[in-house]
Amino acid sequence: GIQVEQSPPDLILQEGANSTLRCNFSDSVNNLQWFHQNPWGQLINLFYIPSGTKQNGRLSATTVATERYSLLYISSSQTTDSGVYFCAVEPSNQFYFGTGTSLTVIP
Amino acid sequence: DVKVTQSSRYLVKRTGEKVFLECVQDMDHENMFWYRQDPGLGLRLIYFSYDVKMKEKGDIPEGYSVSREKKERFSLILESASTNQTSMYLCASSLMGLAFFGQGTRLTVV
Repeated sequence: GIQVEQSPPDLILQEGANSTLRCNFSDSVNNLQWFHQNPWGQLINLFYIPSGTKQNGRLSATTVATERYSLLYISSSQTTDSGVYFCAVEPSNQFYFGTGTSLTVIP
Repeated sequence: DVKVTQSSRYLVKRTGEKVFLECVQDMDHENMFWYRQDPGLGLRLIYFSYDVKMKEKGDIPEGYSVSREKKERFSLILESASTNQTSMYLCASSLMGLAFFGQGTRLTVV
């Protein structure tokens, strides 16, 4: 199956700092999503972004499908941003997940 | 908003019990999935379904079965629960490559 790698695996930030999370994938995909797993374990949709750039408040994402990577930007981080961030790719009806980036934002 | 609902947030069962995890979605999605999540191993696909009464094995189907009698409901069955099935179980549905997850079920087998 397709390989999905996320970096960094762990990240600790001071509140107010900015960060960039990366997702690399090994083959062409039709779709890509970013999720945030909250402390209770639920995966919350952040972006559906097979290509291009999207922004939602302090978060934005860019996918360069031809180069097989996606970036998630978090600006002015808050303690509520803490948790694990996953990217998932969908080449054809199945989803392949990276192992996640664990983000801790300290006040 | 799409809603995917799992029947229990926390569950404690005894070894050897038959366990049912239920998942219901309200958006008429064709595709439904069951994953388990363990520390250091990420999300692993157990089973998925593209249509009613249809199922496909994922990466780790051993010890599990599924049922999809209605489009909106996808059940995961542990025929005889074992301690190595203690995990976080996540259900998802999808349409056109866009997936939505339930809140997860933390199952502990003692």
